[in-house]
Amino acid sequence: AQKVTQAQTEISVVEKEDVTLDCVYETRDTTYYLFWYKQPPSGELVFLIRRNSFDEQNEISGRYSWNFQKSTSSFNFTITASQVVDSAVYFCALLRSTNKLIFGTGTLLAVQP
Amino acid sequence: DTEVTQTPKHLVMGMTNKKSLKCEQHMGHRAMYWYKQKAKKPPELMFVYSYEKLSINESVPSRFSPECPNSSLLNLHLHALQPEDSALYLCASSQVGRVRYNEQFFGPGTRLTVL
Repeated sequence: AQKVTQAQTEISVVEKEDVTLDCVYETRDTTYYLFWYKQPPSGELVFLIRRNSFDEQNEISGRYSWNFQKSTSSFNFTITASQVVDSAVYFCALLRSTNKLIFGTGTLLAVQP
Repeated sequence: DTEVTQTPKHLVMGMTNKKSLKCEQHMGHRAMYWYKQKAKKPPELMFVYSYEKLSINESVPSRFSPECPNSSLLNLHLHALQPEDSALYLCASSQVGRVRYNEQFFGPGTRLTVL
């Protein structure tokens, strides 16, 4: 089965707090890619990061960081010092060779001022 | 700025109307996608075009008819829709070729309301 689970439906934090969004995936493929997308209220899905199944190196981009652990099939996303502009729905997704993206159910992040 | 554009941004139509959604990308991508997204749900894949040919149809009802006139344009023709078809329709594009696992870039979407 191919599946992406985002157990956190909604998270609310106060500005400047750190927050981690969890993502757990299931796949039998040996080669696959994982993605995070951000969807603000405007609706557009914004690509944040791509990680392939052979690269477990963590990545940091400004206030964003990603922790990929194949042993636990997890690809978690941390926002450091959150800001109101980070408020959005965040989707984790799994891409297989068929070009079909499998999305998780999304996590709504609300950052309060 | 997004490089995938969609028109119109909003569309209200009756069940007997015929309308079209349009998508254009300027990134030289050769794969284009239509997704449907209901409120508080993830996007659901509808169609995939690769090199202007339909490669995936996720058992979408025939009242939705995709068209890819060229490598930059993607249309979705709508006819005899139902109120439950009201949703955000997202277009995306990606590279294809040797690197198969390419990120998809999304447009801003068209919010469709069927009365």
